[in-house]
Amino acid sequence: GENVEQHPSTLSVQEGDSAVIKCTYSDSASNYFPWYKQELGKRPQLIIDIRSNVGEKKDQRIAVTLNKTAKHFSLHITETQPEDSAVYFCAGVTGTASKLTFGTGTRLQVTL
Amino acid sequence: NAGVTQTPKFRILKIGQSMTLQCTQDMNHNYMYWYRQDPGMGLKLIYYSVGAGITDKGEVPNGYNVSRSTTEDFPLRLELAAPSQTSVYFCASSGQTDKNGYTFGSGTRLTVV
Repeated sequence: GENVEQHPSTLSVQEGDSAVIKCTYSDSASNYFPWYKQELGKRPQLIIDIRSNVGEKKDQRIAVTLNKTAKHFSLHITETQPEDSAVYFCAGVTGTASKLTFGTGTRLQVTL
Repeated sequence: NAGVTQTPKFRILKIGQSMTLQCTQDMNHNYMYWYRQDPGMGLKLIYYSVGAGITDKGEVPNGYNVSRSTTEDFPLRLELAAPSQTSVYFCASSGQTDKNGYTFGSGTRLTVV
């Protein structure tokens, strides 16, 4: 099955700086890679996703890049704000049932 | 359109008790999933279903059972609760394969004492 590794486990940046979270996956058949943001005590919320036929996708301050050859993908947040503080999860999807395998999460802290 | 609704939000069980976590979606999604999230950890798949009458085990199915009698409902049954089942449980649903990300329910926080 799929195995998704995520780094770093914690990340602290100053407001306005950029944050980068990296994930690797094991199953070369994986074809969809979403990123979720989870605030304390809340449900995970999809913030951006990328499919295997695309190398990069951007949505305002958030971007995701995918390197299929190396089997890794990254989340980039620019001009970070305090409200970006949360736990971020990457995931990979394989198989006909769209099963998501999650990374272990990155706790992002944006300090003033 | 309520999305994915989970009940209850919180529950305390004694060791050996049983309970059912309810999950309902109104988006006519075929795929539904149950995940558990232990403190400070990622989400692990317990069971999933690709349609009414079809269920399959995920990564951590031991101690749980599911059923899918309708498209809308996907209850998770805990038999003989154990402290290791203390966790937050999320139900999720998805439309066509790879078309959209999951829609998660608000979660059920379960403590087994």
